[in-house]
Amino acid sequence: DAGVTQSPTHLIKTRGQQVTLRCSPKSGHDTVSWYQQALGQGPQFIFQYYEEEERQRGNFPDRFSGHQFPNYSSELNVNALWLGDSALYLCASSSLATVGETQYFGPGTRLLVL
Amino acid sequence: QKEVEQDPGPLSVPEGAIVSLNCTYSNSAFQYFMWYRQYSRKGPELLMYTYSSGNKEDGRFTAQVDKSSKYISLFIRDSQPSDSATYLCAMGSNTGKLIFGQGTTLQVKP
Repeated sequence: DAGVTQSPTHLIKTRGQQVTLRCSPKSGHDTVSWYQQALGQGPQFIFQYYEEEERQRGNFPDRFSGHQFPNYSSELNVNALWLGDSALYLCASSSLATVGETQYFGPGTRLLVL
Repeated sequence: QKEVEQDPGPLSVPEGAIVSLNCTYSNSAFQYFMWYRQYSRKGPELLMYTYSSGNKEDGRFTAQVDKSSKYISLFIRDSQPSDSATYLCAMGSNTGKLIFGQGTTLQVKP
């Protein structure tokens, strides 16, 4: 049973560019959450998708957007990149039907903005 | 004030020691409490999950929650060098959003 997978593993972009990160949830999960983890910090919640709709959003600007597909996979898009967006981007999957919605994380995509 | 406070360490202990990791929180709405382990340059791995006050044990790991004091702990018995990692506490309610502590870096020396 494959766990949460993310692609790509690493990415280098320059300021002003746009990036798309991808996530496939764990089998049986229908909900995908995205987090940003800066070096030396805990993950910060960006947003969560369920049934192809954004269910909850954290304190991130509109430059951060997402999408969920009918097969439950998800994309995170970041426009107009700036240096402060350099971080590890984590995808977590869960099942809305499970009490507490325990979230399981993928390996992350490390983004470097130059 | 952050919703979740966690001492970043680093914490260095000899092999075989008992390790105590702690977090405090301010939001009474939190109902679910988790501990994740994160190795360098990897994603967080779920270690323990609980939703009630009291203790929960799994092998060498014990999670403790005190809702009245808004305090959670993770104890690791007979610590091993392979336990060297960053330990993250996380808390949630039914919104789907998890709030994480900063993480405590643990080194277990052989």
